[in-house]
Amino acid sequence: DQQVKQNSPSLSVQEGRISILNCDYTNSMFDYFLWYKKYPAEGPTFLISISSIKDKNEDGRFTVFLNKSAKHLSLHIVPSQPGDSAVYFCAASANDYKLSFGAGTTVTVRA
Amino acid sequence: DTGVSQDPRHKITKRGQNVTFRCDPISEHNRLYWYRQTLGQGPEFLTYFQNEAQLEKSRLLSDRFSAERPKGSFSTLEIQRTEQGDSAMYLCASSPSGLAIYNEQFFGPGTRLTVL
Repeated sequence: DQQVKQNSPSLSVQEGRISILNCDYTNSMFDYFLWYKKYPAEGPTFLISISSIKDKNEDGRFTVFLNKSAKHLSLHIVPSQPGDSAVYFCAASANDYKLSFGAGTTVTVRA
Repeated sequence: DTGVSQDPRHKITKRGQNVTFRCDPISEHNRLYWYRQTLGQGPEFLTYFQNEAQLEKSRLLSDRFSAERPKGSFSTLEIQRTEQGDSAMYLCASSPSGLAIYNEQFFGPGTRLTVL
């Protein structure tokens, strides 16, 4: 049972514009959410996270928004850069250390 | 390089053979995790160690799979009698204890297993 869903397998965006990646979850016990970025032939790299007690967390060009009532979170990348082209995974934890991942969204930033 | 390392990076084996993978976590991290990732999917949790104690195992970890972490340092994941369905990327991650960065896990590059 997929508890974390990323319904858009791919996203293409022009350099300098905003990238918005979406993620939905079903488990109400999730209390911590993370975004990971993955390049080919490398492991996932931590990008940004948010606790369930917050609705926004910002780190440079990356902002994560959490809507608990809708069980939805999103990652905004502004401005998008060519180096942002990668697969982005949404992940969630229910205070038991293991992470549940979505299937990923492949972002392509066009010059 | 002080990141998580995994060995080998690639393994090709024939069905029915046994394989073993190694993971070296970041040295001060006492938590270690194994995940499996198949094509088009995100990583799926397999098992978790706190120091040398294996604290949780996923139902995905059949009795053909065994993981160890002797002395609480490196870990090994062994698959016995491999099947074609075992073909996947096996990822190892580690994290420190405590809540300084809650549940941020640092991943290694993975071992890609192909079972012929």
